[in-house]
Amino acid sequence: NAGVTQTPKFRILKIGQSMTLQCTQDMNHNYMYWYRQDPGMGLKLIYYSVGAGITDKGEVPNGYNVSRSTTEDFPLRLELAAPSQTSVYFCASSAGTGSSGANVLTFGAGSRLTVL
Amino acid sequence: AQTVTQSQPEMSVQEAETVTLSCTYDTSESDYYLFWYKQPPSRQMILVIRQEAYKQQNATENRFSVNFQKAAKSFSLKISDSQLGDAAMYFCAYRSESGGGADGLTFGKGTHLIIQP
Repeated sequence: NAGVTQTPKFRILKIGQSMTLQCTQDMNHNYMYWYRQDPGMGLKLIYYSVGAGITDKGEVPNGYNVSRSTTEDFPLRLELAAPSQTSVYFCASSAGTGSSGANVLTFGAGSRLTVL
Repeated sequence: AQTVTQSQPEMSVQEAETVTLSCTYDTSESDYYLFWYKQPPSRQMILVIRQEAYKQQNATENRFSVNFQKAAKSFSLKISDSQLGDAAMYFCAYRSESGGGADGLTFGKGTHLIIQP
């Protein structure tokens, strides 16, 4: 069982370039999330999705876009990369909300992005 | 908006001893969940323990237990018999269940736990 898979694990971008971070999960989870982690700052929510075709902004959405065409995939697109987007990015998923563990987030291994 | 505060940027404990990591949160909601996640140097986020706000009983998972004080909005993590493998960043996180709770977790800034052999 692969869980949540993110690619690439590492990437260096030049200022102004664009790229897509891929995220796929094989647990049939409805909810998916993108977080960024900056040193000493914990994780901050960029975008989330409650199902295919539905996405919404989190705390720090500027400079990013997402789409959710299938239950399994939730790619994060960076347009016109800036040094401020240098960070570690985590994709996560959960089955839903409420008790019985449905609201526990399962995380991918993270993607380290550097913008120079 | 909810906030989660971890006031200890770094903690150090001798192997086999007990350590407590602090977490406070601010919310006006009554229905929520609290979590502790561990992040070792591998960067992987690993669930340590989970607490439902409506339960008065503190959650326990083997050597890990919490002290949940709802009125004080406090959620500390106690690690007993510390092991070298416990060395990691520990994040406290809050999840609202209001409005479906779809917008994930709110994290604290983390506590770096060092285990002294």
